[in-house]
Order: sequence, then structure tokens, then C-alpha cells
Amino acid sequence: GIQVEQSPPDLILQEGANSTLRCNFSDSVNNLQWFHQNPWGQLINLFYIPSGTKQNGRLSATTVATERYSLLYISSSQTTDSGVYFCAVLLLGYDYKLSFGAGTTVTVRA
Amino acid sequence: NAGVTQTPKFRVLKTGQSMTLLCAQDMNHEYMYWYRQDPGMGLRLIHYSVGEGTTAKGEVPDGYNVSRLKKQNFLLGLESAAPSQTSVYFCASTSTSVVPGELFFGEGSRLTVL
Repeated sequence: GIQVEQSPPDLILQEGANSTLRCNFSDSVNNLQWFHQNPWGQLINLFYIPSGTKQNGRLSATTVATERYSLLYISSSQTTDSGVYFCAVLLLGYDYKLSFGAGTTVTVRA
Repeated sequence: NAGVTQTPKFRVLKTGQSMTLLCAQDMNHEYMYWYRQDPGMGLRLIHYSVGEGTTAKGEVPDGYNVSRLKKQNFLLGLESAAPSQTSVYFCASTSTSVVPGELFFGEGSRLTVL
């Protein structure tokens, strides 16, 4: 299967700081998603981004499919950004099973 | 629009008891999945279904059974619960047509086996 590596594993930020999370994957993919798991355990879709760049408020993501990585940018971080960020990828032909990274745990301190 | 709904949200079982988790989606998605998440770990696929009447094993299927009798429902069963099955269980679904592979999750079901 596809290997997905996320870095860094942990990130501590002061409120207002910017940060970049990275997701590397081992094969060409048809789909890449970023999720945020909040401290209450809910998994929230952030971006569906197999390629290109998208922005949603203070969050943006870029996937460079040819180089097999994706970046998630958090700008002007807030305490509500705390939680775990997961990257998941899909290669069509693998029965629509997404492969997940281990996640980046982000803690934003006031 | 409810999306993906899981019931129950919380359950405590004794070792050896059985139970069923229900996942329902109202998005007409073909694919449905059951994942488990243990502390400090990512999501591991238990079983999945590519359509009504079909199921397949994921990474960690042992001790679980599933059924997909209706397209909108995916059931996860534990016949004889063990403490190692204490976990948070997530159901998810996706479509193969509209936005291929965009995954939507339920809110999770926290299961404790004593």
C-alpha cells in the first residue's frame, strides 16, 4: 500500500504564530485530504486537494502531486486550531481505501 | 442533512458481551468504512463495503463482523467483546462519482470493554 508520512509529529505554537505541516506520500495519488481532529474527537474535513492550492480562511493547502507531498499552512493560529491534523491519500484501484498518516498534534497556547 | 450518523455514541461492555454499532449515511454513497482509533495512534481500517450486500476486510478485522444489507447502513458487530477492543470507532463513507474518494466521517462511538 501507499506509505504516508507526516511531519512534524508534534507542534507547539504561541497564539498568532504561523506554521506549516507536511505530508509525504510514496506513490502517485488520485485524492488527498486533510482532516482536523478537534479535542472532542470529531474529524472535520479541511481540504480535498489532489493537486494545486486551496484556501479556507486562515488555512490553506498545497499539493504538488508530481513531487508527492502536500503542505497545510495555518496562519495567525488560534487556540481553536489545537488538535490533530491528519493527511489521507487514495490511489484509485486500491478499492477506495484511503491511507492515513499518523498525524501532527498541534497545541496552540494563549 | 445529517451526513454520517453513528449510534450509540458511548457504550460500556463486559468481556464476552456482544453489541452492534450502527452507521447510517444519507448521501447515497457507495463506499462505507469502519475505522478504530486508539490513543496516540492514527486510524486503522477494520472492514469496508463497496456496495450493498458486499463487505471486505481491512487492516484489523479480527474479532469484528460487518453487514451491509441496505446501501445507507453499515453495521459493525462484536460477538464476544475483549478489553483490546476498547477504542473509539469511526464510520465513514464516500462516493465514487461526484468527488471520488472524498471521505466523510461520523462523530465516533466510544466503546469501553471491562
